[in-house]
Amino acid sequence: DQQVKQNSPSLSVQEGRISILNCDYTNSMFDYFLWYKKYPAEGPTFLISISSIKDKNEDGRFTVFLNKSAKHLSLHIVPSQPGDSAVYFCAARTSYDKVIFGPGTSLSVIP
Amino acid sequence: EPEVTQTPSHQVTQMGQEVILRCVPISNHLYFYWYRQILGQKVEFLVSFYNNEISEKSEIFDDQFSVERPDGSNFTLKIRSTKLEDSAMYFCASGHSYNEQFFGPGTRLTVL
Repeated sequence: DQQVKQNSPSLSVQEGRISILNCDYTNSMFDYFLWYKKYPAEGPTFLISISSIKDKNEDGRFTVFLNKSAKHLSLHIVPSQPGDSAVYFCAARTSYDKVIFGPGTSLSVIP
Repeated sequence: EPEVTQTPSHQVTQMGQEVILRCVPISNHLYFYWYRQILGQKVEFLVSFYNNEISEKSEIFDDQFSVERPDGSNFTLKIRSTKLEDSAMYFCASGHSYNEQFFGPGTRLTVL
């Protein structure tokens, strides 16, 4: 039962360009969405989040967009840097503390 | 910068043995979590813990699993009788509020 989907398992982007990571969800009761970055052999690192009452949240190079009607969110990284190469997990909260993760998208930023 | 720590980094055990995975959350955090990631699969929620009790648990978290915060600093996950399918990376996380979760580096559990 994939409530959080990331349909692109991998993405390659040139350094300096924009990276767009997409995420779709099925449960309309989700009220909070998060993006995590994960390097090999490390735990997920929180990047940015957005509440369901907003449609955009920006933090430096990272911007998350939420389209509730389409049950879709995206993470934009601009400009992309080689150090951004990692697996990015989209996650959604179903209650005040349980988080459901998507399968992840592996981003490669090419110098 | 404070961080969540986990020990050991790698635990190898025989099927049927008990294992205890240890986590030291960030000191002023109030919410604690365990997740696991089976190799090649997604990160899965196991359990959340707040105010000295389990607040939510997933279907994975059956009677073989238990959590404890024995001394106010450690947060442990015990698996009573390990199965081969318990082999995974186990991540602990903590948060000051329910809107944040800071993850530890994980413990790789290998059940033989």
